[in-house]
Amino acid sequence: DTAVSQTPKYLVTQMGNDKSIKCEQNLGHDTMYWYKQDSKKFLKIMFSYNNKELIINETVPNRFSPKSPDKAHLNLHINSLELGDSAVYFCASSSIAGGQETQYFGPGTRLLVL
Amino acid sequence: EDQVTQSPEALRLQEGESSSLNCSYTVSGLRGLFWYRQDPGKGPEFLFTLYSAGEEKEKERLKATLTKKESFLHITAPKPEDSATYLCAVRGYSSASKIIFGSGTRLSIRP
Repeated sequence: DTAVSQTPKYLVTQMGNDKSIKCEQNLGHDTMYWYKQDSKKFLKIMFSYNNKELIINETVPNRFSPKSPDKAHLNLHINSLELGDSAVYFCASSSIAGGQETQYFGPGTRLLVL
Repeated sequence: EDQVTQSPEALRLQEGESSSLNCSYTVSGLRGLFWYRQDPGKGPEFLFTLYSAGEEKEKERLKATLTKKESFLHITAPKPEDSATYLCAVRGYSSASKIIFGSGTRLSIRP
């Protein structure tokens, strides 16, 4: 069973288009995240939601808008795509059990803006 | 500002040749230090969480240790399947629940 899933896996689109990436976790975790990994493989957090509420909103353009319809889903909508948005976007979820925090990542969505 | 620095950037070892990866961190109150493994084209895979200096955790050929300024990931008698990028991350009390990642160490094990 896939713990954290994302769709689509690949996304190739033209500059100026609007696109969405979907994420679902079946782990029952309360907290979900969106990360961006650039060409140098550096992972940077974009957003974090806890129980459908936004708790971290990093300095990202307001063209990026996360939406959490329920605890198991966190989608990312991107308006007016730019060349610099090309990257791999990872969804993740985390929990704390027995005092130990663990974080699980999805397989990533590879976005290429032409 | 919280910061994570990993070294070396890349490491090539012969199968069976043990070594260590370093993660130096600066954080205002450590809430947790995390190690992940990332294979090409895949998402990071959780390995360990460490919370306090002196803590150690082991999994197969990997052992993670923590001091007040750095963490080491020791790899004992590695095999080619241990080849991957190893990422270190920290969560601090001042960073409002944010996890900050280092740039990773690319480990390559030759048969």
